[in-house]
Amino acid sequence: QVQLRESGPGLVRPSQTLSLTCSISGDSVSTNSAAWNWIRHSPSRGLEWLGRTYYRSKRYNDYGTSVKSRISINPDTSRNQFSLQLTSATPEDTGVYYCVRYNWNGGFDCWGQGTLVTVSS
Amino acid sequence: DIVMTQSPDSLAVSLGERATINCKSSQSILYNSNKKNYLSWYQQKPGQSPKLLIYWASIRESGVPDRFSGGGSGTDFTLTISSLQAEDVAVYYCHQYYDTPWTFGQGTKVEIK
Repeated sequence: QVQLRESGPGLVRPSQTLSLTCSISGDSVSTNSAAWNWIRHSPSRGLEWLGRTYYRSKRYNDYGTSVKSRISINPDTSRNQFSLQLTSATPEDTGVYYCVRYNWNGGFDCWGQGTLVTVSS
Repeated sequence: DIVMTQSPDSLAVSLGERATINCKSSQSILYNSNKKNYLSWYQQKPGQSPKLLIYWASIRESGVPDRFSGGGSGTDFTLTISSLQAEDVAVYYCHQYYDTPWTFGQGTKVEIK
């Protein structure tokens, strides 16, 4: 079955770049059947969709409004991974970050276990 | 952005009783060409990742108990737990995937009365 696993630093200093990687097993980051997403959860914001990357004959990206100027999500087909980079981190970026598969048949059907990232000096 | 508003914020229901959660979108999320509502529901238990319960507003994900049902169309949707069990204590979220940026409701916490 499909499994996703997030990895990356648990502590990021303010103004630095928050970087995470999601490793995929049981599916392919270049599939046409799914989109690969980052979603975060914080007590103040609840669940927040940050963005996605997907292939439909070519590669596409879409990003959430609140992070649009700071975010980049990129696939790595050689490692079957995708990454999140969020520049100019602030304490408001603190939260649990999930990598998630969206099945074009409907819904986020597979979630990683989540990784807590704290932005603090 | 499409705003998703859930009500109530929290709900306490006796075991075996019905729980109903409402979700309202700031614009219609019914796509007229295929007559599908781009709405899903998730359950998040403490310390766990969210789990998909319902998609296309009313289709249960494989393995989800049939006491969970989704309904509604256009801008108004409901998630119903027909007979609340102890293992249903969780926070429930609705989500629209009609248009990016995709957005979630703020969550509804379901507890046992």
